[in-house]
Amino acid sequence: SQQGEEDPQALSIQEGENATMNCSYKTSINNLQWYRQNSGRGLVHLILIRSNEREKHSGRLRVTLDTSKKSSSLLITASRAADTASYFCATDYNDYKLSFGAGTTVTVRA
Amino acid sequence: DTAVSQTPKYLVTQMGNDKSIKCEQNLGHDTMYWYKQDSKKFLKIMFSYNNKELIINETVPNRFSPKSPDKAHLNLHINSLELGDSAVYFCASSRTNTDTQYFGPGTRLTVL
Repeated sequence: SQQGEEDPQALSIQEGENATMNCSYKTSINNLQWYRQNSGRGLVHLILIRSNEREKHSGRLRVTLDTSKKSSSLLITASRAADTASYFCATDYNDYKLSFGAGTTVTVRA
Repeated sequence: DTAVSQTPKYLVTQMGNDKSIKCEQNLGHDTMYWYKQDSKKFLKIMFSYNNKELIINETVPNRFSPKSPDKAHLNLHINSLELGDSAVYFCASSRTNTDTQYFGPGTRLTVL
């Protein structure tokens, strides 16, 4: 299948620490998007990185993309309790859909 | 100024019933989508529409029928509901098929 796979499945960190999660995919993409989902809520778009980009920043978020390894990473710096959520990578193969991974559940302990 | 809205937020119904979920976006986007999220949080595309035209039907049973009366709306009608249809259904839209997708708040469907 085409969906991305996130690693790790779950992550527990102390407030103030950094959290890193990875996403791997199988074939060439048009872009890759990261989303956050708080428990019982909808998906919030975080960052879109296109295939010709290598790194993007948004506030405390940093996303990298390595198309040669078919992988992406999301780094959350100086984590806060409010960052507790599931994080999904979604790959866009330019075929009118996003293919989602199973997500990484991040728990930030106070 | 909600971007993508869905109604209802919760839907509890008996097996065999027919139900509809409505979706509206006020972003002026051309492309709209329906996704299904199962109990393990796995999100899967169901349908994609571009300018009211069906682009993708991702092997969804024909009990599910999307309807796009105009570019801003994509409704989902489900006939003869089954237990396995219980899930959270998300509507989304994007300016074009290669841009950021914005998701609605979801509709939690429970079939008893």
